[in-house]
Order: sequence, then structure tokens, then C-alpha cells
Amino acid sequence: QQQVKQSPQSLIVQKGGISIINCAYENTAFDYFPWYQQFPGKGPALLIAIRPDVSEKKEGRFTISFNKSAKQFSLHIMDSQPGDSATYFCAATFNQAGTALIFGKGTTLSVSS
Amino acid sequence: GAVVSQHPSRVICKSGTSVKIECRSLDFQATTMFWYRQFPKQSLMLMATSNEGSKATYEQGVEKDKFLINHASLTLSTLTVTSAHPEDSSFYICSASFLGVQYFGAGTRLSVL
Repeated sequence: QQQVKQSPQSLIVQKGGISIINCAYENTAFDYFPWYQQFPGKGPALLIAIRPDVSEKKEGRFTISFNKSAKQFSLHIMDSQPGDSATYFCAATFNQAGTALIFGKGTTLSVSS
Repeated sequence: GAVVSQHPSRVICKSGTSVKIECRSLDFQATTMFWYRQFPKQSLMLMATSNEGSKATYEQGVEKDKFLINHASLTLSTLTVTSAHPEDSSFYICSASFLGVQYFGAGTRLSVL
């Protein structure tokens, strides 16, 4: 019940295209859903996050769509660029201090130029 | 955003030696820090939750005596890999929460020969 399932495992998108990564969770008590971007040999960096009281959040080219009833959320990267090539992790947690993130398995995105 | 500094970024050691990794919150105080381990092309696996002034909470399957965690101040947590062996070679990453957001260090690549 603590799992976060992420798909696809890898994704190849042409420059300018839309990248879509999906995640699903089971525990309805989760109330904070961040996405992290990780480049090889580096730590994850927060990209965008959402709470379950909203259905969508947009920051620049990055959008999270959240479906509370389906217990699913997704990351959309518009106008994908080669610099977006990285591994993306979705995560879920309880919005309390001292609570660890539960990560999905990650999606490796390659944007071809 | 808040900054988490991790040192060293890379360490190579001989089998049987101990290695200490430092994790510092540079511009905020962190009551709780987290330590993760990441194998190549895999997700982050939570090893332990480090609480300032108290014992760390280890995840199931993580050896407490091998991975010693000390959180002596509100800005510093250390992970010591004792009597390291080649199977301990991995990417170790720390994180700390600030205003509900987890910020990650850049990671430490440990190679045990």
C-alpha cells in the first residue's frame, strides 16, 4: 500500500514533442506528490509538486495532472528539449515534517534533437 | 531554494576501511534528514531517517552496525560505512526537509576496492 507505480520505464521523444510520465498510488492518506529530475551522477532536484486539493499545476513547460478518484498523477513536459533528457521520479508522502518520500522506479527520458 | 551540501562527492577506499559521508543543510535547520542508497539505473532506496539528538530509524534490511548515522546538530548528519566491502559500493544521497519540501544533496559515489 506504500508503493508508487511509475510508467513507462523509458521514453524517447522528439524535440518539441510532449513527454508524459504516469504514476499511481494506493495509500489515500498521501497528501503531497512531488516530481524530481535527476541527471547522471547528481542528486535529484525538485521539479514541481502538487497537493490533492488541486487537479492541475503548471510551471513553465511542466504540468502535473492529478486525478484523486483514480489515485493517479502524471507529469507532462511540453516542447521537450534535449536538455530535458534525464531520469524523472515521481514520489508521494504525508505532508508532515520528518516523513520520507516514497519514490516510483523512475523514467529515463531521452529527447532526440 | 534551500541548499543541502554533501561531501565527499566521490570516495574510493580499500575493503575493510570505514568511510564517513557528511550531509549539511547550509541555509536552514533540519531536525530530520534522510539517507538513501541508489544502484545504477534504479530508484532511491530509503536507508534511514536521521533525527537530531536521537537515534536514527533504520529501514528493514539495513544493517545498523554497518551504516552508522549521527545527527549531532541541526545542520549536520553523517553516515559512516564501517568495514566497507565491494558490495557496499553505491551512490549514497542525503536529503533534508525545509518548509515541507525535501532537498537533496549531490550524492556520494562510493567505490570499495
